[in-house]
Amino acid sequence: EAEVAQSPRYKITEKSQAVAFWCDPISGHATLYWYRQILGQGPELLVQFQDESVVDDSQLPKDRFSAERLKGVDSTLKIQPAELGDSAMYLCASSPGPSKGYNSPLHFGNGTRLTVT
Amino acid sequence: DQQVKQNSPSLSVQEGRISILNCDYTNSMFDYFLWYKKYPAEGPTFLISISSIKDKNEDGRFTVFLNKSAKHLSLHIVPSQPGDSAVYFCAASDSGANSKLTFGKGITLSVRP
Repeated sequence: EAEVAQSPRYKITEKSQAVAFWCDPISGHATLYWYRQILGQGPELLVQFQDESVVDDSQLPKDRFSAERLKGVDSTLKIQPAELGDSAMYLCASSPGPSKGYNSPLHFGNGTRLTVT
Repeated sequence: DQQVKQNSPSLSVQEGRISILNCDYTNSMFDYFLWYKKYPAEGPTFLISISSIKDKNEDGRFTVFLNKSAKHLSLHIVPSQPGDSAVYFCAASDSGANSKLTFGKGITLSVRP
């Protein structure tokens, strides 16, 4: 079964440093999501792409976070500068998109565990 | 304000018995509901879903029940197996063109051998 690929799996960084995460969705999936999961909480949406366009970034802390999906395929999420409170699991997910029907489950990658010291 | 609530943080059941995981929601625009299962150090894996036009959906040992009037859904696992021990997330979305999943906090299920 096709998978959503994410790298790195783990990242330790010092506060005020820059960090970047990469995601390659399932081939053909038009919609890509970045979620953040803090321990003990459910995943929370940071940004949603439809092809290369951002359709929802209302919960993205735009002063320090940025995301791009330049060719509508893979995506990068960046944090600069990192803060202690950014320690969390960053999950990427993809789905076929609205052209394939609104109700289709999201497929998640295994995430990047970020620790900011 | 949490729109999807999983009020019980954990559940422990004996192997072979039924596990019932509950979820409540507040947003009346939600019409599609999903359960995800998550093992440590892995991403959530889709388990089962239900549309608001149904009140029950079954897939093997897993059944999801939806009570729209009460804004409540539940996941039944029968019989429970030790491999079912994981965190279970309830999630919901509406039918908008750019619909997104809203997740609950999760329930940690432990199935005792």
